[in-house]
Amino acid sequence: GAVVSQHPSWVICKSGTSVKIECRSLDFQATTMFWYRQFPKQSLMLMATSNEGSKATYEQGVEKDKFLINHASLTLSTLTVTSAHPEDSSFYICSARDRGFGNEQFFGPGTRLTVL
Amino acid sequence: KQEVTQIPAALSVPEGENLVLNCSFTDSAIYNLQWFRQDPGKGLTSLLLIQSSQREQTSGRLNASLDKSSGRSTLYIAASQPGDSATYLCAVYGGATNKLIFGTGTLLAVQP
Repeated sequence: GAVVSQHPSWVICKSGTSVKIECRSLDFQATTMFWYRQFPKQSLMLMATSNEGSKATYEQGVEKDKFLINHASLTLSTLTVTSAHPEDSSFYICSARDRGFGNEQFFGPGTRLTVL
Repeated sequence: KQEVTQIPAALSVPEGENLVLNCSFTDSAIYNLQWFRQDPGKGLTSLLLIQSSQREQTSGRLNASLDKSSGRSTLYIAASQPGDSATYLCAVYGGATNKLIFGTGTLLAVQP
């Protein structure tokens, strides 16, 4: 299957700082990328959907000014958590869809964010 | 609104047993269904993808079936091993949204 990478795998930051997480599709072009958040022992919660070259579509209740998403190319999407606070601490997972794989979605390894 | 449910929520079996995980969904208008595995603190690994026109898919010791009309899918794991211990998630794609809708997950523990 296709490979999706995320960087960094974990990050610890002080409250009030901004953190950027990168998501890359390594061997395919991802026309659509997704960002999820996962709380302990819960399933994934979709935050937003981004298509290359256009603005992201955010799910209800997700602050777009808080979670900035940029999908500048067919292989890269970034999530920036602005002015992070302890309640933003979570596991963030990106995903990419490739139409060449029958709309199969491939997931990155996740980024553990801890805000002190 | 599509809802995906997985039963059981948790399962513990001795090594070597064959087991079945169940997934049900309320809206049968899907394009495909995926089964994933998630290890603690890790991302999701795609196990099997079944298109809506297919009945089943096989990969090694894994076999997934799909009955779209009844809104059900099963993941069969043969000869389970301790390394199979993980959370298994099913997800459906299609219907009115362009999103993957996840089930609640089954936490599997295979005892050596």
